Amino acid sequence: ETGVTQSPTHLIKTRGQQVTLRCSSQSGHNTVSWYQQALGQGPQFIFQYYREEENGRGNFPPRFSGLQFPNYSSELNVNALELDDSALYLCASSPERTSDEQFFGPGTRLTVL
Amino acid sequence: SQELEQSPQSLIVQEGKNLTINCTSSKTLYGLYWYKQKYGEGLIFLMMLQKGGEEKSHEKITAKLDEKKQQSSLHITASQPSHAGIYLCGVNPIRVGSYDKVIFGPGTSLSVIP
Repeated sequence: ETGVTQSPTHLIKTRGQQVTLRCSSQSGHNTVSWYQQALGQGPQFIFQYYREEENGRGNFPPRFSGLQFPNYSSELNVNALELDDSALYLCASSPERTSDEQFFGPGTRLTVL
Repeated sequence: SQELEQSPQSLIVQEGKNLTINCTSSKTLYGLYWYKQKYGEGLIFLMMLQKGGEEKSHEKITAKLDEKKQQSSLHITASQPSHAGIYLCGVNPIRVGSYDKVIFGPGTSLSVIP
């Protein structure tokens, strides 16, 4: 059974650029959640996708957007990057949207210069 | 909104020593997760507590949930260098709803000195 994978592992961008991060959910999981973890803090919920639809959103601006594909993999897109977007971005998959358990990927470290 | 606090913020212990990490919620707990994170990596699920008074153990790690105190504690017995990392508690404020998210505490950084 393959776990949650994310790509790339590290990324460096400059202010104003756009970035796309990718996540492959665990086999059989139809729900993917994205979190942003700034240095020294706990992860903050960005949004969740369930069966290709956004199914809940945290307190993040519209320049944070996402997609979920028929195979339940997902992308996180961030436009007009700001310095404060530098963080570890984690995705987590669940068997169902109301599942109690989330399985996290290793994360993508984004640095914005 | 529900907030979590963790104490201590960081901890350095000698190998073999016992330690306790606490997680306190600003609202009633309807279930609490404990995760471990190696520095800069993803989260590893440790355990989930769902009822007041519940206690679970995994290897040398034991977690308890005190609903009345809106608090959970994580206890590590005979710590080892492999226990080093960041311990995060999390709650799911929406048990039955349209979506499922986890609110996390700020984390407790644990270092174990051989």
